[in-house]
Amino acid sequence: AQSVTQLGSHVSVSEGALVLLRCNYSSSVPPYLFWYVQYPNQGLQLLLKYTSAATLVKGINGFEAEFKKSETSFHLTKPSAHMSDAAEYFCAVSERYTGGFKTIFGAGTRLFVKA
Amino acid sequence: EAGVAQSPRYKIIEKRQSVAFWCNPISGHATLYWYQQILGQGPKLLIQFQNNGVVDDSQLPKDRFSAERLKGVDSTLKIQPAKLEDSAVYLCTSRLGGVGNSPLHFGNGTRLTVT
Repeated sequence: AQSVTQLGSHVSVSEGALVLLRCNYSSSVPPYLFWYVQYPNQGLQLLLKYTSAATLVKGINGFEAEFKKSETSFHLTKPSAHMSDAAEYFCAVSERYTGGFKTIFGAGTRLFVKA
Repeated sequence: EAGVAQSPRYKIIEKRQSVAFWCNPISGHATLYWYQQILGQGPKLLIQFQNNGVVDDSQLPKDRFSAERLKGVDSTLKIQPAKLEDSAVYLCTSRLGGVGNSPLHFGNGTRLTVT
Protein backbone atom coordinates (compact mmCIF):
# COMPACT_ATOMS: atom_id res chain seq x y z
CA ALA A 1 0.00 0.00 0.00
CA GLN A 2 1.15 3.49 -0.69
CA SER A 3 1.96 5.95 2.07
CA VAL A 4 2.58 9.65 2.38
CA THR A 5 5.02 11.32 4.78
CA GLN A 6 4.95 15.02 5.48
CA LEU A 7 8.04 16.24 7.27
CA GLY A 8 7.21 18.75 9.96
CA SER A 9 3.79 19.03 11.52
CA HIS A 10 4.32 22.79 11.92
CA VAL A 11 6.21 25.26 9.75
CA SER A 12 6.59 28.94 10.60
CA VAL A 13 7.79 31.56 8.13
CA SER A 14 7.86 35.33 8.00
CA GLU A 15 5.66 37.19 5.58
CA GLY A 16 7.50 37.49 2.28
CA ALA A 17 9.76 34.50 2.95
CA LEU A 18 9.95 31.28 0.98
CA VAL A 19 7.48 28.57 1.89
CA LEU A 20 8.66 24.96 1.62
CA LEU A 21 6.44 22.10 2.74
CA ARG A 22 7.90 18.64 2.31
CA CYS A 23 6.14 15.51 1.11
CA ASN A 24 7.52 12.07 0.33
CA TYR A 25 5.50 9.16 -0.93
CA SER A 26 6.02 5.46 -1.38
CA SER A 27 4.84 3.95 -4.63
CA SER A 28 5.95 1.26 -7.01
CA VAL A 29 4.23 2.92 -9.96
CA PRO A 30 3.92 6.53 -11.10
CA PRO A 31 1.37 7.99 -8.73
CA TYR A 32 -1.26 10.67 -8.86
CA LEU A 33 -0.22 13.26 -6.31
CA PHE A 34 -2.14 16.13 -4.81
CA TRP A 35 -1.80 18.98 -2.37
CA TYR A 36 -4.93 20.09 -0.52
CA VAL A 37 -5.28 23.12 1.73
CA GLN A 38 -7.60 23.59 4.67
CA TYR A 39 -8.20 27.14 5.83
CA PRO A 40 -9.59 27.67 9.34
CA ASN A 41 -13.21 26.57 9.63
CA GLN A 42 -13.35 25.51 5.99
CA GLY A 43 -13.31 22.23 4.13
CA LEU A 44 -10.29 20.89 2.26
CA GLN A 45 -9.80 22.24 -1.23
CA LEU A 46 -7.48 21.29 -4.04
CA LEU A 47 -4.30 23.34 -4.32
CA LEU A 48 -2.68 21.45 -7.20
CA LYS A 49 -2.24 17.98 -8.67
CA TYR A 50 0.42 16.00 -10.52
CA THR A 51 -0.75 13.68 -13.26
CA SER A 52 2.49 13.01 -15.17
CA ALA A 53 2.06 15.74 -17.78
CA ALA A 54 4.81 17.93 -16.30
CA THR A 55 7.07 17.57 -13.30
CA LEU A 56 6.57 21.17 -12.16
CA VAL A 57 2.96 21.81 -11.32
CA LYS A 58 1.47 25.21 -10.69
CA GLY A 59 -1.49 25.62 -8.41
CA ILE A 60 -3.67 28.34 -7.00
CA ASN A 61 -2.47 31.31 -4.95
CA GLY A 62 1.10 31.16 -6.32
CA PHE A 63 1.92 27.69 -5.02
CA GLU A 64 3.78 25.12 -7.06
CA ALA A 65 5.16 21.64 -6.52
CA GLU A 66 7.83 19.60 -8.22
CA PHE A 67 7.60 15.87 -8.75
CA LYS A 68 10.99 14.18 -8.32
CA LYS A 69 10.76 10.50 -9.05
CA SER A 70 14.33 9.76 -7.95
CA GLU A 71 13.61 11.25 -4.54
CA THR A 72 9.95 10.11 -4.38
CA SER A 73 9.13 13.65 -3.35
CA PHE A 74 6.47 16.20 -4.16
CA HIS A 75 7.44 19.27 -2.13
CA LEU A 76 5.22 22.35 -2.14
CA THR A 77 6.73 25.81 -2.49
CA LYS A 78 5.75 29.44 -2.73
CA PRO A 79 8.36 32.17 -3.28
CA SER A 80 6.80 34.72 -0.96
CA ALA A 81 4.46 33.90 1.92
CA HIS A 82 1.38 35.96 2.60
CA MET A 83 -0.57 36.14 5.82
CA SER A 84 -3.54 34.57 4.05
CA ASP A 85 -1.48 31.42 3.40
CA ALA A 86 -1.76 30.41 7.04
CA ALA A 87 -3.58 27.08 6.89
CA GLU A 88 -3.07 23.34 7.07
CA TYR A 89 -1.66 21.64 4.03
CA PHE A 90 -2.12 17.98 3.15
CA CYS A 91 -0.16 15.96 0.64
CA ALA A 92 -2.10 13.04 -0.83
CA VAL A 93 -1.57 10.15 -3.22
CA SER A 94 -4.23 8.41 -5.23
CA GLU A 95 -3.73 4.69 -5.62
CA ARG A 96 -5.53 2.11 -7.69
CA TYR A 97 -7.02 -0.91 -6.03
CA THR A 98 -9.69 -3.44 -6.93
CA GLY A 99 -12.53 -1.03 -6.14
CA GLY A 100 -11.16 1.83 -8.20
CA PHE A 101 -9.06 4.62 -6.72
CA LYS A 102 -8.65 5.78 -3.16
CA THR A 103 -6.76 8.73 -1.82
CA ILE A 104 -4.33 8.46 1.08
CA PHE A 105 -3.40 11.57 3.00
CA GLY A 106 -0.34 12.62 4.91
CA ALA A 107 -0.67 13.85 8.48
CA GLY A 108 -0.64 17.48 7.39
CA THR A 109 1.60 20.48 7.95
CA ARG A 110 0.26 23.59 9.63
CA LEU A 111 1.77 26.74 8.16
CA PHE A 112 2.12 29.80 10.35
CA VAL A 113 2.97 33.15 8.76
CA LYS A 114 4.48 35.84 10.97
CA ALA A 115 4.08 39.52 10.22
CA GLU B 1 -21.79 24.08 -9.30
CA ALA B 2 -22.99 23.44 -5.79
CA GLY B 3 -20.42 21.83 -3.52
CA VAL B 4 -20.67 18.82 -1.26
CA ALA B 5 -23.21 19.49 1.47
CA GLN B 6 -22.92 17.98 4.93
CA SER B 7 -25.01 18.29 8.06
CA PRO B 8 -24.91 18.90 10.89
CA ARG B 9 -21.76 21.03 11.20
CA TYR B 10 -21.32 20.22 14.86
CA LYS B 11 -22.60 17.50 17.14
CA ILE B 12 -21.95 16.80 20.80
CA ILE B 13 -23.11 13.51 22.28
CA GLU B 14 -22.36 11.34 25.27
CA LYS B 15 -20.58 8.04 24.89
CA ARG B 16 -22.85 5.11 24.05
CA GLN B 17 -25.31 7.40 22.29
CA SER B 18 -26.04 7.22 18.58
CA VAL B 19 -25.39 9.82 15.91
CA ALA B 20 -25.94 10.16 12.18
CA PHE B 21 -24.35 12.37 9.57
CA TRP B 22 -25.75 13.27 6.19
CA CYS B 23 -24.00 14.05 2.93
CA ASN B 24 -25.19 15.25 -0.47
CA PRO B 25 -22.39 15.02 -3.05
CA ILE B 26 -21.90 17.10 -6.16
CA SER B 27 -24.46 16.23 -8.78
CA GLY B 28 -23.21 13.58 -11.14
CA HIS B 29 -20.36 12.39 -8.94
CA ALA B 30 -20.60 8.63 -8.85
CA THR B 31 -17.91 8.06 -6.24
CA LEU B 32 -18.46 9.09 -2.64
CA TYR B 33 -16.13 8.65 0.32
CA TRP B 34 -16.39 9.17 4.06
CA TYR B 35 -13.19 10.13 5.84
CA GLN B 36 -12.47 10.51 9.55
CA GLN B 37 -10.06 13.27 10.56
CA ILE B 38 -8.85 13.11 14.13
CA LEU B 39 -7.26 16.27 15.48
CA GLY B 40 -3.65 16.52 14.38
CA GLN B 41 -3.93 13.78 11.77
CA GLY B 42 -4.69 13.54 8.10
CA PRO B 43 -8.04 12.27 6.86
CA LYS B 44 -8.44 8.49 7.08
CA LEU B 45 -10.72 6.67 4.66
CA LEU B 46 -13.67 4.90 6.26
CA ILE B 47 -15.78 3.82 3.30
CA GLN B 48 -16.07 4.28 -0.45
CA PHE B 49 -19.23 4.05 -2.56
CA GLN B 50 -19.48 3.73 -6.30
CA ASN B 51 -23.04 4.80 -7.08
CA ASN B 52 -25.06 2.98 -4.41
CA GLY B 53 -22.66 0.09 -3.93
CA VAL B 54 -19.89 -0.24 -1.34
CA VAL B 55 -16.50 -0.84 -2.96
CA ASP B 56 -14.28 -0.53 0.12
CA ASP B 57 -15.24 -0.58 3.78
CA SER B 58 -12.14 -2.32 5.07
CA GLN B 59 -11.32 0.56 7.45
CA LEU B 60 -14.85 0.97 8.79
CA PRO B 61 -15.34 -0.28 12.39
CA LYS B 62 -18.39 -2.29 11.45
CA ASP B 63 -19.32 -3.17 15.00
CA ARG B 64 -20.38 0.43 15.54
CA PHE B 65 -20.24 2.29 12.23
CA SER B 66 -22.59 1.86 9.31
CA ALA B 67 -23.14 3.79 6.10
CA GLU B 68 -25.48 3.70 3.18
CA ARG B 69 -26.00 5.51 -0.07
CA LEU B 70 -29.54 4.94 -1.20
CA LYS B 71 -30.27 5.64 -4.86
CA GLY B 72 -26.62 6.48 -5.45
CA VAL B 73 -26.93 10.10 -4.34
CA ASP B 74 -27.18 11.11 -0.66
CA SER B 75 -25.31 9.17 1.96
CA THR B 76 -25.59 8.74 5.71
CA LEU B 77 -22.96 7.61 8.17
CA LYS B 78 -24.08 6.32 11.56
CA ILE B 79 -22.25 5.55 14.76
CA GLN B 80 -23.96 3.37 17.36
CA PRO B 81 -22.83 3.35 20.11
CA ALA B 82 -20.28 6.15 20.10
CA LYS B 83 -16.99 5.97 21.96
CA LEU B 84 -14.76 8.76 23.18
CA GLU B 85 -12.20 7.96 20.46
CA ASP B 86 -14.81 8.69 17.79
CA SER B 87 -14.39 12.40 18.45
CA ALA B 88 -13.24 13.73 15.09
CA VAL B 89 -14.32 15.61 12.00
CA TYR B 90 -16.20 13.41 9.54
CA LEU B 91 -15.62 14.45 5.97
CA CYS B 92 -17.71 13.51 3.00
CA THR B 93 -16.07 13.81 -0.39
CA SER B 94 -17.07 13.02 -3.92
CA ARG B 95 -15.21 12.47 -7.14
CA LEU B 96 -16.24 12.40 -10.76
CA GLY B 97 -16.19 8.76 -11.76
CA GLY B 98 -13.37 6.46 -10.73
CA VAL B 99 -10.51 8.33 -12.35
CA GLY B 100 -7.44 8.52 -10.14
CA ASN B 101 -6.35 11.97 -11.23
CA SER B 102 -9.66 13.67 -10.61
CA PRO B 103 -9.56 15.60 -7.36
CA LEU B 104 -11.75 15.02 -4.34
CA HIS B 105 -14.39 17.62 -3.57
CA PHE B 106 -14.91 18.04 0.16
CA GLY B 107 -17.78 19.17 2.28
CA ASN B 108 -17.12 21.32 5.35
CA GLY B 109 -17.33 18.28 7.57
CA THR B 110 -19.18 17.41 10.75
CA ARG B 111 -17.26 17.94 13.96
CA LEU B 112 -18.28 15.25 16.46
CA THR B 113 -17.44 15.55 20.13
CA VAL B 114 -18.12 12.51 22.32
CA THR B 115 -18.11 13.23 26.06
